[in-house]
Amino acid sequence: AQSVTQPDIHITVSEGASLELRCNYSYGATPYLFWYVQSPGQGLQLLLKYFSGDTLVQGIKGFEAEFKRSQSSFNLRKPSVHWSDAAEYFCAVVPPGGSYIPTFGRGTSLIVHP
Amino acid sequence: DSGVTQTPKHLITATGQRVTLRCSPRSGDLSVYWYQQSLDQGLQFLIQYYNGEERAKGNILERFSAQQFPDLHSELNLSSLELGDSALYFCASSGTGRGANVLTFGAGSRLTVL
Repeated sequence: AQSVTQPDIHITVSEGASLELRCNYSYGATPYLFWYVQSPGQGLQLLLKYFSGDTLVQGIKGFEAEFKRSQSSFNLRKPSVHWSDAAEYFCAVVPPGGSYIPTFGRGTSLIVHP
Repeated sequence: DSGVTQTPKHLITATGQRVTLRCSPRSGDLSVYWYQQSLDQGLQFLIQYYNGEERAKGNILERFSAQQFPDLHSELNLSSLELGDSALYFCASSGTGRGANVLTFGAGSRLTVL
């Protein structure tokens, strides 16, 4: 079945430490890939997206993600986490073929310790 | 401010009642999506409208209905409410072309059914 998986429900890091949030997908062809962030009491905001081309994608707030076709993964990274990065992070995929309906992972809650 | 406006922000009602959630998309966006976010189900796609026409249906219950009006605002109607309908309901909008894959979310309407 087609799916998107975020294996980590919660991740705790110290402020200033590096961060990697995992996302794996299961589709026959490479989907469009997205990361969104949801701060408490807010809607989801797009961090970055991958459609094609360069597999390392830069986003807002210092985030980047790398698409690895061989691993069906699109992991989100940040070299140095700030306390304001504490939020819920969602990976989303749009299957190839034009439905335009994103399917979201269950989310990873990021906790940042001072 | 994402440009997508949802009202009301919070709503408390009783089982068996009916409520209407409203969404104004970002200026220029023709597509409107409704998602339900709950702790046990995550973000579930409900329904999509494009320029007034229903485009795609997801896990929307028969007790729920939606429409998109000529001015492109959308309403989600939830009837015969049950305790399990308590959730955060998000509206999102998108543009055309590659922009059709990128959703802009509102801040959500939190529904509590008592």
